Amino acid sequence: DARVTQTPRHKVTEMGQEVTMRCQPILGHNTVFWYRQTMMQGLELLAYFRNRAPLDDSGMPKDRFSAEMPDATLATLKIQPSEPRDSAVYFCASGRQADDEQFFGPGTRLTVL
Amino acid sequence: AQSVSQHNHHVILSEAASLELGCNYSYGGTVNLFWYVQYPGQHLQLLLKYFSGDPLVKGIKGFEAEFIKSKFSFNLRKPSVQWSDTAEYFCAVNPRGYSTLTFGKGTMLLVSP
Repeated sequence: DARVTQTPRHKVTEMGQEVTMRCQPILGHNTVFWYRQTMMQGLELLAYFRNRAPLDDSGMPKDRFSAEMPDATLATLKIQPSEPRDSAVYFCASGRQADDEQFFGPGTRLTVL
Repeated sequence: AQSVSQHNHHVILSEAASLELGCNYSYGGTVNLFWYVQYPGQHLQLLLKYFSGDPLVKGIKGFEAEFIKSKFSFNLRKPSVQWSDTAEYFCAVNPRGYSTLTFGKGTMLLVSP
């Protein structure tokens, strides 16, 4: 049963520290998405990739967030420096083709103190 | 840009009651429509999707949804809910051919035994 995996599942850090979240998409999927979920804003798209190329990162605060896909099996989301307002659950999702369903990972629950 | 509106933020039902969750979207073109469910502490899972064809779509766990193009609606239904249906339900839409999903704010369903 193929699944999207994310690490770490939980992260507690102090303000100003760098945070790196990792995602392994389902093998064969060529689109990868990063979402942030908060009580206030719900699910927000941060960035997405197709065939490892970033296509849209307009949802990300550019000064502190960065997203990359070093290879087809790994996507990363970095926050540097982190701030308390970044506390949220960050989900990665992958899909087979442009507008098909997305398969979500278990999420990384980030708490910035 | 498209938007998705879910009318109820919280719904409380007793077991065996019928369920209907409203979802309306705004977009002038052809869209794909999805309902995702998020059980407490878990990731989003696809309940059902509509791309084309029969506007009445059947999904997993006895859920169904009806696409009414004239009303820009895609309401989720279940004839008889169970305690295990307690979860948050998200409606989502993407324009045909595009990857980015726009999610509604979600509806939290609590089913009392």
